[in-house]
Amino acid sequence: QSALTQPPSASGSPGQSVTISCTGTSSDIGGYNYVSWYQQHPGKAPKLMIHEVNKRPSGVPDRFSGSKSGNTASLTVSGLQAEDEADYYCNSYAGTNNLRVFGGGTKLTVL
Amino acid sequence: EVHLVESGGGLVQPGGSLSLSCAASGFTFSDHPMHWVRQAPGKGLEYVSAISSDGGNIYYANSVKGRFTISRDNSKNTLYLQMGSLRAEDMAVYYCARSWRHAYDHWGQGTLVTVSS
Repeated sequence: QSALTQPPSASGSPGQSVTISCTGTSSDIGGYNYVSWYQQHPGKAPKLMIHEVNKRPSGVPDRFSGSKSGNTASLTVSGLQAEDEADYYCNSYAGTNNLRVFGGGTKLTVL
Repeated sequence: EVHLVESGGGLVQPGGSLSLSCAASGFTFSDHPMHWVRQAPGKGLEYVSAISSDGGNIYYANSVKGRFTISRDNSKNTLYLQMGSLRAEDMAVYYCARSWRHAYDHWGQGTLVTVSS
């Protein structure tokens, strides 16, 4: 399985917005509306932030939003806060052969 | 409250075997597919294996196919991962994760597997 492609880093100042992209293929992101995003702070387990492309689990601030166009999904963090500094990973369902595939991760820095 | 607690990690020599467990509580375990996801030191997340809620469907990443075996005991609310023919590249923190709407909505704290002679 090939990993989804994410930029290794992203940054923004407090209060700004930042968008992280995640590019796959028609066999994963483009083929299903099952993209999810995870936030991981150092030494901690990942936390689900977005599921099914653009749905937020309860408790996740509405500053976090997701979208998809073709084979590329995006996570936007608006009104950046210091606690948003973390690694972010995208994930997609990839069919019954490959099942799931992750992106390589993006380190978000709040300047 | 959902809790997932992994155990069984440790140091193993290349070519050796190790068995991981994940004890689940706070939800109806038999209702959910379960997955194993790993993270090598300083690296990203990697899907390893999945099992359907009743254990009837099992999936593996190509990187572990033929060497790892996933299973579950719904009467004990426990997920397992039997790992064999371990390689240096299998060294990672192994997380069990609950699958929900094709996402992972709950994760354990992880257990570290070290492969070294």
